[in-house]
Amino acid sequence: QKEVEQNSGPLSVPEGAIASLNCTYSDRGSQSFFWYRQYSGKSPELIMFIYSNGDKEDGRFTAQLNKASQYVSLLIRDSQPSDSATYLCAVQSRSNDYKLSFGAGTTVTVRA
Amino acid sequence: NAGVTQTPKFQVLKTGQSMTLQCAQDMNHNSMYWYRQDPGMGLRLIYYSASEGTTDKGEVPNGYNVSRLNKREFSLRLESAAPSQTSVYFCASSLGQGATEAFFGQGTRLTVV
Repeated sequence: QKEVEQNSGPLSVPEGAIASLNCTYSDRGSQSFFWYRQYSGKSPELIMFIYSNGDKEDGRFTAQLNKASQYVSLLIRDSQPSDSATYLCAVQSRSNDYKLSFGAGTTVTVRA
Repeated sequence: NAGVTQTPKFQVLKTGQSMTLQCAQDMNHNSMYWYRQDPGMGLRLIYYSASEGTTDKGEVPNGYNVSRLNKREFSLRLESAAPSQTSVYFCASSLGQGATEAFFGQGTRLTVV
């Protein structure tokens, strides 16, 4: 079982809609959770991080964490064509020496 | 402020050749990483250095060696390149233990023929 699993996509949403991305992780002791965005041919960049159960909002982005279900999600509201990218979920745990483990990524296309 | 700098950006190797990918960061970060990215596979950790003088294997270390030369620099060496090592390689750094953001270099696109 991979440490971090993401819904495979690709995900196509119309402009203005909500894009919902999901991620599950296997290490129950994981403590920190990150969402990175990667445009084609570019390097990943951090867009959100979350440590505590519940929701965290930053502009049009909302991260949701449920540690009991070992599940973290990212919602993109009012999706824009500029949101078209691959979104990578990353997980970090003290038991794994704080190494960042990534999922395979979900490619999102926002159609105008 | 350069952040994380990788060299080279592109490289073509013949099977069996060796090369070293260089990475340097100017953010005084303790932790540094080498990842490879293949289509549909996400980022897979090759090697990790939690601090100067320490290195640890990641998910896919076979065929690679690393050197944490000092706090700034972390190099990745391919001793005998194989076509299976064709990939995009990313170096990253973070402040250290605990939940902190990782910053990535621009990547090296390596092709082994």
